Amino acid sequence: AQSVAQPEDQVNVAEGNPLTVKCTYSVSGNPYLFWYVQYPNRGLQFLLKYITGDNLVKGSYGFEAEFNKSQTSFHLKKPSALVSDSALYFCAVSLSNQAGTALIFGKGTTLSVSS
Amino acid sequence: GAVVSQHPSRVICKSGTSVKIECRSLDFQATTMFWYRQFPKQSLMLMATSNEGSKATYEQGVEKDKFLINHASLTLSTLTVTSAHPEDSSFYICSARDQVQGSYNEQFFGPGTRLTVL
Repeated sequence: AQSVAQPEDQVNVAEGNPLTVKCTYSVSGNPYLFWYVQYPNRGLQFLLKYITGDNLVKGSYGFEAEFNKSQTSFHLKKPSALVSDSALYFCAVSLSNQAGTALIFGKGTTLSVSS
Repeated sequence: GAVVSQHPSRVICKSGTSVKIECRSLDFQATTMFWYRQFPKQSLMLMATSNEGSKATYEQGVEKDKFLINHASLTLSTLTVTSAHPEDSSFYICSARDQVQGSYNEQFFGPGTRLTVL
């Protein structure tokens, strides 16, 4: 079965330090991978995506993610965390470019950045 | 980027009443919209796929007679929670795919609707 795993419920990091939010996936075929961020009582905001090409993807707000096919991972990273980065982060995968294909989400990781 | 709106943002209702939630794509056309449900501090669970001009496709375990979905136009999908009960209290989020801009299945999400059933 297709799935996305975010092994950490919460990640704590001090402001200014690098952060990593982990994501691994299990799909058949080539995945389309996404990261979204959610602030309290808000919908999801798109951060970045991997479709094909360069394994290192740069996205919004200074975030980046690296696609690693051999490890089936797509970890989210940022060189220097901000307090305002504190939010709930979701990794998601799509199996197809077809319009009727929904995203499969991981359970989410709460990022807490302390000042 | 494309914008998706939801209305209302928050609704409180009595048990047994029906509640309608609207999802609109404001600056693009969406033949397909998705409805998700999210419990506190949990992931989004796909409820159904809403297709313009045809019946919605529901995920296993989602009652189609309880969660009525209508996708009457290319910019509007509605989710009606019929005879709502306290266990239906949740955060409902819709998403839409821009057929022109949205390559590679990129989806744009609405801000969500917080439903509380008393």
